[in-house]
Amino acid sequence: AQTVTQSQPEMSVQEAETVTLSCTYDTSESDYYLFWYKQPPSRQMILVIRQEAYKQQNATENRFSVNFQKAAKSFSLKISDSQLGDAAMYFCAFRWGAQKLVFGQGTRLTINP
Amino acid sequence: DAGVIQSPRHEVTEMGQEVTLRCKPISGHDYLFWYRQTMMRGLELLIYFNNNVPIDDSGMPEDRFSAKMPNASFSTLKIQPSEPRDSAVYFCASSRRTSGVPDTQYFGPGTRLTVL
Repeated sequence: AQTVTQSQPEMSVQEAETVTLSCTYDTSESDYYLFWYKQPPSRQMILVIRQEAYKQQNATENRFSVNFQKAAKSFSLKISDSQLGDAAMYFCAFRWGAQKLVFGQGTRLTINP
Repeated sequence: DAGVIQSPRHEVTEMGQEVTLRCKPISGHDYLFWYRQTMMRGLELLIYFNNNVPIDDSGMPEDRFSAKMPNASFSTLKIQPSEPRDSAVYFCASSRRTSGVPDTQYFGPGTRLTVL
C-alpha cells in the first residue's frame, strides 16, 4: 500500500525566513506524482506545487521549491521569504496510476511576525 | 474561470436525517472526486468518476453513502440515514486528462457537515 508520512505535526518560522517541511512516502510504483497542498483557515485546499517522478529537476513555483529525492522517497517543501499569508496546514500527497491520491497527515505552519 | 463549486458550505442535521451534498466541477474536467476530512483519519478518497461513470467507490464507508453524477456538471453525495460519526468536511475535486495522464486535482471549498 502507498503511504505518505509527514513527521512534523507543527512548524513555526519567523517572517521573511526560510522553512522546510518534510515528507516521505512508500511505494513500489516507478511512475507517480507528488504534490503539496496548502489549507488555510478557510479550509480551501490550494495546490502549491507538483512534481513528476520521472523528472530529475526539482519543481519551483516562485518562493516555493521542492527537494525531490527519489531513491530516498523524500519530497520536502521549502518556503523562502516566509509571509504571514503562508500560515496554513500543508499536506503532502502522492498519486499513482489513474487517480488514487493519498495524503499525509499534514503540518501546521505558523509564521511569527 | 470558476473553480469547483460546492453547496451547502455548512450543514447541520440530526441523526437519522438524509443529507445531500452537491458539487459542480470545473467546466471541461472529466474526473470528479469526493473526499472526506476528519481529525482522526485525515483526507480520504471516497469515490471518483470519469466521464460521469463511477470508477472506484472502495472508499465509501458503507451503504448509507451513495454518490451520483447525472451529467458532466453536477454530482451529489448522499448520506441516508446520517450518523454523528459522519460529521466531517466533505470536499469535491475535479481534474482533466491531458496527454494521456490525469492532471492536477482542484478542490472545492468543502462542506462542513455536523450530525447531532
